Amino acid sequence: DAGVIQSPRHEVTEMGQEVTLRCKPISGHDYLFWYRQTMMRGLELLIYFNNNVPIDDSGMPEDRFSAKMPNASFSTLKIQPSEPRDSAVYFCASSQQNRGLLAFFGQGTRLTVV
Amino acid sequence: GENVEQHPSTLSVQEGDSAVIKCTYSDSASNYFPWYKQELGKRPQLIIDIRSNVGEKKDQRIAVTLNKTAKHFSLHITETQPEDSAVYFCAALFLYGGATNKLIFGTGTLLAVQP
Repeated sequence: DAGVIQSPRHEVTEMGQEVTLRCKPISGHDYLFWYRQTMMRGLELLIYFNNNVPIDDSGMPEDRFSAKMPNASFSTLKIQPSEPRDSAVYFCASSQQNRGLLAFFGQGTRLTVV
Repeated sequence: GENVEQHPSTLSVQEGDSAVIKCTYSDSASNYFPWYKQELGKRPQLIIDIRSNVGEKKDQRIAVTLNKTAKHFSLHITETQPEDSAVYFCAALFLYGGATNKLIFGTGTLLAVQP
């Protein structure tokens, strides 16, 4: 199993542009999480899905952030318009309910908004 | 609200010494507590976890203890080595029932093992 796959690994964009981050969870996992990591705030849970359905998006910072999971093998996190304070590493993780939400992380996308 | 506090934020030890990282959580119903290690520029990776029906768990040089009454749990690393240097995150599973359970992370501890 290739693990959780995220793309791109690095993204540099100008303020105001739309950014789309992608995630492919581990096959068979029924939970998918999006986290944001910064020096100041650590690992923040933004949103998570169970069986492709968004369960809790209370961590999404603003309406500029949106996430979708059209099928069990793909999810996107979109920021539109992006701002410099969105610069962070964004991690996707997946897990299985019957393993107590043991989360496996992707390698992350380092986003820099200039 | 959901809260996991982690201390210290940074920890420096000499090679061979022990390191202890402590976390507290706010929800008495939480029953699953994993620990993740994140090396520089890499993803967080699970190193050990404990469930609330157990007070202590060991895996070679790593051990985790849980005190449900006090709502705190700790990571213990013995005989530290330079390759143990990383950021360590604790986490707690907050239970809201069914699909709404949520894994919340502490703010991390930067461990530096001096050779």
